[in-house]
Amino acid sequence: EAEVAQSPRYKITEKSQAVAFWCDPISGHATLYWYRQILGQGPELLVQFQDESVVDDSQLPKDRFSAERLKGVDSTLKIQPAELGDSAMYLCASSPQAGGGSIRLINEQFFGPGTRLTVL
Amino acid sequence: GENVEQHPSTLSVQEGDSAVIKCTYSDSASNYFPWYKQELGKRPQLIIDIRSNVGEKKDQRIAVTLNKTAKHFSLHITETQPEDSAVYFCASTGANSKLTFGKGITLSVRP
Repeated sequence: EAEVAQSPRYKITEKSQAVAFWCDPISGHATLYWYRQILGQGPELLVQFQDESVVDDSQLPKDRFSAERLKGVDSTLKIQPAELGDSAMYLCASSPQAGGGSIRLINEQFFGPGTRLTVL
Repeated sequence: GENVEQHPSTLSVQEGDSAVIKCTYSDSASNYFPWYKQELGKRPQLIIDIRSNVGEKKDQRIAVTLNKTAKHFSLHITETQPEDSAVYFCASTGANSKLTFGKGITLSVRP
């Protein structure tokens, strides 16, 4: 069964350093999401891509976070500079193209294993 | 934006008993309600979902009910087993079609 891949699985960095996370969605999935999950909380959407285009980055701290999906397949999320409060699990998810011509027809999101970031 | 709340935050049941986890949402335009199970250190996995055009959906020991008038939906697990122990997240879409997750509930099934 196809799965969403993420790397690295764990990352420890010092504050003010730059970090980058990579995600490879399930083949053929047009929609890709990056979530941040703080310990004891539910996932919170950071950015959503439809193919190579950003459709929602309203919760992305754009002063330090950036995300790209240049060819509409895999994606990279970057933090520069990292802060102590960025310590969290970063989850990537993908879903098939919404069907029936309805932008509000949401399909199941498949999550990757996540990257656990610790900022010291 | 959408606000999703889960109650209670922890739940402990005896093996074989039923467990019910409730969620409320705020946006009446929400139309998709998934439940995810997350075991310690693992990825969230969809266990069941329901769309706003139905009131109940069942899959073996798991069922979800939706009350659109009251804006709440519930996860029902029957004949609980120790491997059901995990964190369960509910989520819903708002008018912007974005999934908003609850804070999660930790279910413990006592052998």
